[in-house]
Amino acid sequence: AQSVTQLDSQVPVFEEAPVELRCNYSSSVSVYLFWYVQYPNQGLQLLLKYLSGSTLVKGINGFEAEFNKSQTSFHLRKPSVHISDTAEYFCAVTVPSGNTGKLIFGQGTTLQVKP
Amino acid sequence: EAGVAQSPRYKIIEKRQSVAFWCNPISGHATLYWYQQILGQGPKLLIQFQNNGVVDDSQLPKDRFSAERLKGVDSTLKIQPAKLEDSAVYLCASRVAGGPADTQYFGPGTRLTVL
Repeated sequence: AQSVTQLDSQVPVFEEAPVELRCNYSSSVSVYLFWYVQYPNQGLQLLLKYLSGSTLVKGINGFEAEFNKSQTSFHLRKPSVHISDTAEYFCAVTVPSGNTGKLIFGQGTTLQVKP
Repeated sequence: EAGVAQSPRYKIIEKRQSVAFWCNPISGHATLYWYQQILGQGPKLLIQFQNNGVVDDSQLPKDRFSAERLKGVDSTLKIQPAKLEDSAVYLCASRVAGGPADTQYFGPGTRLTVL
């Protein structure tokens, strides 16, 4: 079975500072990895995904993530955050085999950007 | 392109009452998911449909939860009777029937409060 652990429940950061949101996963098989963002009272929006190939993945809104197979990590980064990045961020995995596309989510990290 | 629609957006009921949620997926999306998101946790899959057939309902509490997707389009999720621990946001998502890496598009969710 797969599981996802987001190492920080809350990350406060000042505007224009860099940020890293940490995600580790556990799986005995290869997985696809995703980061979603959830703004208040909204559904989840895909930021980026890793399927294969280059381990550095670029997404929307200036975010990027790096897949590290040896450390089973998929940390999300942004070099300079804005107030508008304040939201809940979820890391998720799915298994390529089969076709269910079932997503297994971490518990989320609240990014709080302060002026 | 219209997104995933859900209604109602908010619902407050007393324990032991019944409640139903509705989801209209993106046109042409054969796969539909219902997730439960308890406060402070990541979404957890309750049930997945492929057209109007159930693919995965292993985490659906079948003694009180039921779901259907008649005609392979809209879906309803019902809770009868509700318990306090059912308080959560219920998210509906849909995707084109393809590989597991295909993007799931999420609706805004229905926030259920059970008193």
